[in-house]
Amino acid sequence: DVKVTQSSRYLVKRTGEKVFLECVQDMDHENMFWYRQDPGLGLRLIYFSYDVKMKEKGDIPEGYSVSREKKERFSLILESASTNQTSMYLCASITEGSGNTIYFGEGSWLTVV
Amino acid sequence: GDSVTQMEGPVTLSEEAFLTINCTYTATGYPSLFWYVQYPGEGLQLLLKATKADDKGSNKGFEATYRKETTSFHLEKGSVQVSDSAVYFCALRGRGGSQGNLIFGKGTKLSVKP
Repeated sequence: DVKVTQSSRYLVKRTGEKVFLECVQDMDHENMFWYRQDPGLGLRLIYFSYDVKMKEKGDIPEGYSVSREKKERFSLILESASTNQTSMYLCASITEGSGNTIYFGEGSWLTVV
Repeated sequence: GDSVTQMEGPVTLSEEAFLTINCTYTATGYPSLFWYVQYPGEGLQLLLKATKADDKGSNKGFEATYRKETTSFHLEKGSVQVSDSAVYFCALRGRGGSQGNLIFGKGTKLSVKP
C-alpha cells in the first residue's frame, strides 16, 4: 500500500515562529501536494511539485513556501506563522496518469497562538 | 476552468436510510472522477473512482456512475450505517497539464443517527 506520512499530527506554534511541516511518500510518486482544509472552504491547494526541485503555486500560496530536495519528501514552510494559518494541513501524492489515485497523509493540525 | 460542485451539507439520516450526495462537474475533455471520504480526525481516503463515461465505481456499498451527458457523478448507498458518518468529497482529475489538474468539491458532511 502507498503510504504518505506527515511527521507531525498536532502542533501548537506562536505567532512569528517558523514552522516546518514534513511529508514523505514511499511509492516513488512524481507529484506531491500541500492542501489546507478549513470548515466550509473544503480543500485549497497551497503548492504542488511535479519533480525534485520543481514547485508551482496553487490557489493560496501567500505566506507559505515549499521544498522538494528529494523525490520522496515535500516540505511546507511557514516563514512567519500567523493566527490565520491555524488549520488542518494535508499532504498528498500521485503518480502520472489521469486515472491514478491521489493518496493523502493523515493531516497535520496546526494551531498558531 | 474545471470545477466540481457538490451538494452542501450537513446531511443527517437515520440508519438504513438511502443516501444520495449530488456531484456535478465542469471540465474540458474527459476527466477521471473520484469520491473521497474523510472520517473524523483523519486524512482523505479514496472511496471509489471512474475513469470514463458510463463507468460505475463501487466500494463498501457505495456506488457512483460517470454520466457524461449530465456531467454528474452522484454518490449513492442503499442503506447507510452509523459508521458511514464522515465528510465526502467529490473530485476530478483532468488529463494532461500541470497541477495534476486535481479539483475538489467543498465536501458534504454526513451524520447517520442510530
